[in-house]
Amino acid sequence: KAGVTQTPRYLIKTRGQQVTLSCSPISGHRSVSWYQQTPGQGLQFLFEYFSETQRNKGNFPGRFSGRQFSNSRSEMNVSTLELGDSALYLCASSLLASQETQYFGPGTRLLVL
Amino acid sequence: KQEVTQIPAALSVPEGENLVLNCSFTDSAIYNLQWFRQDPGKGLTSLLLIQSSQREQTSGRLNASLDKSSGRSTLYIAASQPGDSATYLCAVESGSGAGSYQLTFGKGTKLSVIP
Repeated sequence: KAGVTQTPRYLIKTRGQQVTLSCSPISGHRSVSWYQQTPGQGLQFLFEYFSETQRNKGNFPGRFSGRQFSNSRSEMNVSTLELGDSALYLCASSLLASQETQYFGPGTRLLVL
Repeated sequence: KQEVTQIPAALSVPEGENLVLNCSFTDSAIYNLQWFRQDPGKGLTSLLLIQSSQREQTSGRLNASLDKSSGRSTLYIAASQPGDSATYLCAVESGSGAGSYQLTFGKGTKLSVIP
């Protein structure tokens, strides 16, 4: 069974641009969560989607948005990039919802210049 | 607001030693606690998940305990090996209502096992 895949793996953007990251969950998994990891703040929760609905959102500005498609694939978008958005963005999937093991993808490394 | 703390931030041990990693959390209203491993530049690998009603879980050389009332968990690694070198992250799952949930992570313990 294929694991969680994320594309692209690496990305370089400049300030003010926007970026879209993609996450394909494990087949059959319906919940997808996104996290930002930085050396200073560690792993921080961005948002969680289940059956195309955003059910929870972390404490991030509105520049960060996401969506989930009917096949459970998810995208996150960051508009008007800032230097501080440079981070490893991780997505995780689980079969249904809570109280289950989260399976993480390898992440997308974003560098904003 | 849930906060998760991991001590120590870094640990270096000789191969073969048994070791304990610590995790504490501020709000005991959790669904579960999970331990993950992260290798440099890579994603997270789930090691153990302890439901809030459980006291411990074991997988091979790993044993995790949970004391929900005191807000503490420990990860015990027996007979450490160089391949165990990685950052170990503790995360608690809390609900935010409407069937949703989120994981709150500690900043991790970076473990180095010296051959």
